[in-house]
Amino acid sequence: QKEVEQDPGPLSVPEGAIVSLNCTYSNSAFQYFMWYRQYSRKGPELLMYTYSSGNKEDGRFTAQVDKSSKYISLFIRDSQPSDSATYLCAMKLQGAQKLVFGQGTRLTINP
Amino acid sequence: ETGVTQTPRHLVMGMTNKKSLKCEQHLGHNAMYWYKQSAKKPLELMFVYNFKEQTENNSVPSRFSPECPNSSHLFLHLHTLQPEDSALYLCASSQALAGGPNTGELFFGEGSRLTVL
Repeated sequence: QKEVEQDPGPLSVPEGAIVSLNCTYSNSAFQYFMWYRQYSRKGPELLMYTYSSGNKEDGRFTAQVDKSSKYISLFIRDSQPSDSATYLCAMKLQGAQKLVFGQGTRLTINP
Repeated sequence: ETGVTQTPRHLVMGMTNKKSLKCEQHLGHNAMYWYKQSAKKPLELMFVYNFKEQTENNSVPSRFSPECPNSSHLFLHLHTLQPEDSALYLCASSQALAGGPNTGELFFGEGSRLTVL
């Protein structure tokens, strides 16, 4: 079983739709949860991070962590063509340096 | 220059060649990383350096040889590679942990796309 599972997609939705991206994980000790966005021919960049359980909102983006289900989500509201990218979830243990990444989901927002 | 800079952006090499990838960070960080990104696979951590010292080697074959002369520069020396080593090699930097809480934010370069013929 992989430590972090993420559907690679591709996922294609119309502009303005609400997008839901998800990851599941097996290690219940993970405490920090992150979403990175990677545009084509670029390196990943941190989009959002959450510590432990709960929700975090930043503009059109909301990150949710459900530790009881070992499930994290990223929601994108009013999606824009500029949101087209690969989204990678990542997580780590408290005090640890190593991030464990999901496979990444390739998302396309169609105008 | 700002951020994390990687050169070359693209590299094609034969299996008998020797080449090097270079990474430089201008963020004042003291941890640097090499990751391998292959299609349909998660990012694979290869090496970690903290304060110029290698602290993690993730069972990487010896045909990949890292070098960290200082906290701002990181190299990946390549020799006798195989076609399956073709991938995007990403360098990243962060503040090193000192046992305390840290978001673990990595700052990535744009990567070096390697093709081994």
